[in-house]
Amino acid sequence: AQTVTQSQPEMSVQEAETVTLSCTYDTSESDYYLFWYKQPPSRQMILVIRQEAYKQQNATENRFSVNFQKAAKSFSLKISDSQLGDAAMYFCAYRIPHNFNKFYFGSGTKLNVKP
Amino acid sequence: SAVISQKPSRDICQRGTSLTIQCQVDSQVTMMFWYRQQPGQSLTLIATANQGSEATYESGFVIDKFPISRPNLTFSTLTVSNMSPEDSSIYLCSVEEGKNYGYTFGSGTRLTVV
Repeated sequence: AQTVTQSQPEMSVQEAETVTLSCTYDTSESDYYLFWYKQPPSRQMILVIRQEAYKQQNATENRFSVNFQKAAKSFSLKISDSQLGDAAMYFCAYRIPHNFNKFYFGSGTKLNVKP
Repeated sequence: SAVISQKPSRDICQRGTSLTIQCQVDSQVTMMFWYRQQPGQSLTLIATANQGSEATYESGFVIDKFPISRPNLTFSTLTVSNMSPEDSSIYLCSVEEGKNYGYTFGSGTRLTVV
C-alpha cells in the first residue's frame, strides 16, 4: 500500500527560529517524486519543494530544505528563519511514475509561528 | 506555472440540491484532477478528467454523485449532486505541471451543506 505518514499534527516555532516537519512514506517503488505543499488559510495549495528519489542531493529552496533518507523512506522539511507567513498546514506527498495521475498525501502538519 | 481560477470560492447549500464548481486554466492541459478535502483531513482524489473522454473515478466516488465535464483543454466542472451535510468539504481542482513537477491547485471551493 502506498501511504504517507506525518506524525506531527501540529507544531509551533518562534519567529526567526528553525523547525523541522517529519514525513515518512511507504512504497515498493524505486523511482518516485516527493513534495511538500503548503496550505495557508486561503486554502491555496502551494508547492514548497520537490525531490526526485533518484537524486541523492537534498533539495533546497531559499529557507526551505529537505532531509531525504531514501533507505529510511523519510522526507523531512526544514524551515529556517521562520516567518509569520510560514504559518499554514504542510502536506507531504509523493507520486510514482507508472501511476502518475495519483498523488499520495499525508494527513498534514499545522505549523504555528509565534512572534 | 499554470494559473487556475476556481469558482465559487464558497457556498452554503441546502441538502438535496446540487452545486457545480468551475475550474478555468490559463493554458491547455491534458489532465485535470478534482480533490476533496474534508474538515481537518488531507486531500482525497475524486477523479481525473481528460478532455474528450469520461472522467476516471477513484474508489468510493461515482459519476452519479460527482458528474464531471471536460469540454476543452482549459476548463472543467465538478457537480456535487443531491448534497448532504457529509458533502461539506473543500473541493479543489488541479493540473499537472509536467512529469517532474507537482500539481498546481485552484484556490478551492468551501462547500457547506445545511
